[in-house]
Amino acid sequence: GDSVTQMEGPVTLSEEAFLTINCTYTATGYPSLFWYVQYPGEGLQLLLKATKADDKGSNKGFEATYRKETTSFHLEKGSVQVSDSAVYFCALSATNDYKLSFGAGTTVTVRA
Amino acid sequence: KAGVTQTPRYLIKTRGQQVTLSCSPISGHRSVSWYQQTPGQGLQFLFEYFSETQRNKGNFPGRFSGRQFSNSRSEMNVSTLELGDSALYLCASSWGQGKGYTFGSGTRLTVV
Repeated sequence: GDSVTQMEGPVTLSEEAFLTINCTYTATGYPSLFWYVQYPGEGLQLLLKATKADDKGSNKGFEATYRKETTSFHLEKGSVQVSDSAVYFCALSATNDYKLSFGAGTTVTVRA
Repeated sequence: KAGVTQTPRYLIKTRGQQVTLSCSPISGHRSVSWYQQTPGQGLQFLFEYFSETQRNKGNFPGRFSGRQFSNSRSEMNVSTLELGDSALYLCASSWGQGKGYTFGSGTRLTVV
């Protein structure tokens, strides 16, 4: 079945450091890929998405590129802020499927 | 534009009772999905509705059920509550496959 594997946390960084969270997936066809972020006590917010190979999703300084050849969708940000502290989830929606399959989530803490 | 609204935000129930959670999607969104989030199992898909029809169902026992009304609002019901049903229940709505889902803030259910 469809699945998402993302790097385990927690990840602790200093402000202005570079952030990478690895995400790989298993799915048939051409799934849509997403990164969601969850702040304490809140629901999930869509951070960015990509719907086909080589697409780059970007938002709020975060970027991720849909790599079909390596089945990956790694999240990156060049300079993190304390406000980026949250749990990040990689997810996929398979072709003609109407659900999201999530990775386990990566907790990111940014220290001033 | 109003977001996805879930009510109530918090619930405490006793084992054996039943509970109904409500979700109002973003206006115009006809697809509504439900997810259970727990520390141990992460985010798991419960079911998805579109135009009052259940299109997809996750691997949960029959105690978990849902429905969608003609105005796209959705409810989920859990009968004969167990301690393990304690979780954050998230509702999400979308206007199309692969477009990404917008999540509500969730209902925190505690079973005692």
